[in-house]
Amino acid sequence: QSALTQPASVSGSPGQSITISCTGTSSDVGRYNYVSWYQQHPGKAPKRMIYDVNNRPSGVSNRFSGSKSGNTASLTISGLQAEDEADYYCCSYTSSSTLVFGGGTKLTVL
Amino acid sequence: EVQLVESGGGLVQPGGSLRLSCAASGFTFSDHHMDWVRQAPGKGLEWVGRTRNKANSYTTEYAASVKGRFTISRDDSKKSLYLQMNNLKTEDTAVYYCARSPTMDVWGQGTTVTVSS
Repeated sequence: QSALTQPASVSGSPGQSITISCTGTSSDVGRYNYVSWYQQHPGKAPKRMIYDVNNRPSGVSNRFSGSKSGNTASLTISGLQAEDEADYYCCSYTSSSTLVFGGGTKLTVL
Repeated sequence: EVQLVESGGGLVQPGGSLRLSCAASGFTFSDHHMDWVRQAPGKGLEWVGRTRNKANSYTTEYAASVKGRFTISRDDSKKSLYLQMNNLKTEDTAVYYCARSPTMDVWGQGTTVTVSS
């Protein structure tokens, strides 16, 4: 199972919006609505930000949203804040009953 | 407080074995599937495997990279999850996290495994 494809890095200025893409195949992202997104700050454990494509857990800012079209899922962060600077990973369930992560995207807030 | 705490990491030689533990508290452990995820130094997250709950016969799934070498088990009476790692390779060096399934909403702090001679 190959890793999902994410851009290595994205950047934006405070207040702007950014979108991180996560491209898989018809055997994972395209087949199931089981895509999650995780935020990880340096030296910390990951934190779930979005689950089941577009569900936001309680306690996560409504500036974070998820979507999916075909084999590509996306995480959008609006109103960028300095604290959003972190690594972001997507993860999908697969037809092999396994999970697969994306390679990760480093978000820089300029 | 919902919490996961990993332990058992350390330095091991290539070809050696190690058993990691994950202690759960603050939720009904037996109801949940559980995952192991690892992160090599400076690299991204890699899913290692999953154990399902009793209702799903404690079935397990593994990533291809560890299948046949790693075994996930659990003891619901002790609210504990385990990862038995055999025939370790240098590329297994990583921080190992346990996480509550199915959407990994709760993570432990991680335990570090170093495979080196």
